[in-house]
Amino acid sequence: GAGVSQTPSNKVTEKGKYVELRCDPISGHTALYWYRQSLGQGPEFLIYFQGTGAADDSGLPNDRFFAVRPEGSVSTLKIQRTERGDSAVYLCASSFTGTRIDEQYFGPGTRLTVT
Amino acid sequence: DQQVKQNSPSLSVQEGRISILNCDYTNSMFDYFLWYKKYPAEGPTFLISISSIKDKNEDGRFTVFLNKSAKHLSLHIVPSQPGDSAVYFCAASARGTGANSKLTFGKGITLSVRP
Repeated sequence: GAGVSQTPSNKVTEKGKYVELRCDPISGHTALYWYRQSLGQGPEFLIYFQGTGAADDSGLPNDRFFAVRPEGSVSTLKIQRTERGDSAVYLCASSFTGTRIDEQYFGPGTRLTVT
Repeated sequence: DQQVKQNSPSLSVQEGRISILNCDYTNSMFDYFLWYKKYPAEGPTFLISISSIKDKNEDGRFTVFLNKSAKHLSLHIVPSQPGDSAVYFCAASARGTGANSKLTFGKGITLSVRP
């Protein structure tokens, strides 16, 4: 079956611009996570959705970052006024309920480069 | 502060020998630990996990050992195969606190298995 997909796979943008990154989770998965992986680091938690609501957004670094999941399936991570430090691979993961930790399935990520 | 630490950035082993990947953690609230494997241009994939109530979990060639008093875990791969060459991430979760399943990752270790 189809796994988690993320688009675009690569995004290059200029400092100060606005970007949107999309995640299509596995069908039927109610939980969705965003992580960010900077160069030489492991993935870092950003936000967790259970259904349509953000159950935990404690990992969002500042108010330039925002994520939505209006219909409980596709999610969009939005970054305003991008900075060079935002350059990273943004990973999305989904799981059936969010209660079994080892059921998080990751997408291939979107590599964001801010020039 | 790095709550999950993988202090060795790389490991090279001969095919057929044992690979031992180490991980340390500092947060005593962590009660569930996972290993993920990542190939280039792909998202992390779940490999094996262990609950804090156990000290060992085995799945085929992969065994994870947990030493709670030392806040240390290790992944043993035996025998190692060239296809095991990848980046391995140690991750932890504090699910016993009632928190969601967000994961805290280490920086990863690059394993190279020489034919």
